[in-house]
Amino acid sequence: TQLLEQSPQFLSIQEGENLTVYCNSSSVFSSLQWYRQEPGEGPVLLVTVVTGGEVKKLKRLTFQFGDARKDSSLHITAAQPGDTGLYLCAGDTDSWGKFQFGAGTQVVVTP
Amino acid sequence: GAVVSQHPSRVICKSGTSVKIECRSLDFQATTMFWYRQFPKQSLMLMATSNEGSKATYEQGVEKDKFLINHASLTLSTLTVTSAHPEDSSFYICSARGRGNTIYFGEGSWLTVV
Repeated sequence: TQLLEQSPQFLSIQEGENLTVYCNSSSVFSSLQWYRQEPGEGPVLLVTVVTGGEVKKLKRLTFQFGDARKDSSLHITAAQPGDTGLYLCAGDTDSWGKFQFGAGTQVVVTP
Repeated sequence: GAVVSQHPSRVICKSGTSVKIECRSLDFQATTMFWYRQFPKQSLMLMATSNEGSKATYEQGVEKDKFLINHASLTLSTLTVTSAHPEDSSFYICSARGRGNTIYFGEGSWLTVV
């Protein structure tokens, strides 16, 4: 059983559409991170959220941390083919950097 | 900025042999590093926490005698896969905790056991 449940597992959309990826848990996290990973490479950090209710925007990406710090979402507006990748959420429960990862959401954006 | 380097990036070894993967923090000291394993089309699974100067802490289900971790200095942790078998073939990646508890990931190491 994974500590973090991500949904959906796979998402295929057309360029220009919006998408949302969810990350849920029954555990409370001191911080939660979102990564994007491309085949054969290490994950690249997109954002870290630490405060319940926090919303962070990074160009077309919007990240939200739930009020109870148990869940998070990633919303991409007007998706582009360059957004294609494996999106991973990772949570740290004890503030020591021991992140547990969700199963990931594979996003494919077609032109 | 802070960089974590892994070596080798790719390695092929024969079944039954051992292989060592290094994880180095290049411009900061890391008392704690983490080792992950990722099988194809799966997520990263935490294997163990590497603590400088003390024994590593392994996650449930990870064989500590098979995956030897040594964190002998503040900038280097090593993962040795002993008596490797084809099922150990995977992407191994480390992360290091730097200043302000920021986590930095290495580039990963591809291990293929033939």
